[in-house]
Amino acid sequence: AQSVTQLDSHVSVSEGTPVLLRCNYSSSYSPSLFWYVQHPNKGLQLLLKYTSAATLVKGINGFEAEFKKSETSFHLTKPSAHMSDAAEYFCVVSDRFSGTASKLTFGTGTRLQVTL
Amino acid sequence: AAGVIQSPRHLIKEKRETATLKCYPIPRHDTVYWYQQGPGQDPQFLISFYEKMQSDKGSIPDRFSAQQFSDYHSELNMSSLELGDSALYFCASSPGTSGLPFSYNEQFFGPGTRLTVL
Repeated sequence: AQSVTQLDSHVSVSEGTPVLLRCNYSSSYSPSLFWYVQHPNKGLQLLLKYTSAATLVKGINGFEAEFKKSETSFHLTKPSAHMSDAAEYFCVVSDRFSGTASKLTFGTGTRLQVTL
Repeated sequence: AAGVIQSPRHLIKEKRETATLKCYPIPRHDTVYWYQQGPGQDPQFLISFYEKMQSDKGSIPDRFSAQQFSDYHSELNMSSLELGDSALYFCASSPGTSGLPFSYNEQFFGPGTRLTVL
């Protein structure tokens, strides 16, 4: 069974300060991990993905995440927050060996608030 | 670039009615997924199709059925609608036959269909 735990339901940062959104995973096999972002009343957009290549993954809009197997973590970071980053962020796991059309299992989400 | 198309974008139904949601994947994507996102909830996997065959099944009620057609578009049929079915329904597609393991493939999400059951 696969699952992800997002440790914070809500994170608030000031514009220009670093962002850290925490995620821990549990998977029977070596997982594929993703971060998706959802702006209000919008669809889901992929920020970045880890699929067993480099453990430090760079995504869009300046976000990056580091896969740490020893800690079973895949935390999302950004050096400097922008007002447009305010959204809901989902950590997502896909079991690499579950066969065809691997479903995604979503975390409960972290709402990022960016203040002036 | 072409994206996943879902129709309708909004749908209002009464209890016990039926609804059909449609999904048109990105061209050359042969794998389609359906997810349900309740208010304030994370998306939950319902069902997936690869090459017109059901591939995986999640927490999809027996009142719901889905299929993928020869042109790879998919339809989610929902009968005997209940108030609790009110949610945002996402369709996603991926290139299942890219040669990579399926789980490597990014799932591209459509904008969703917001279903409201009154």
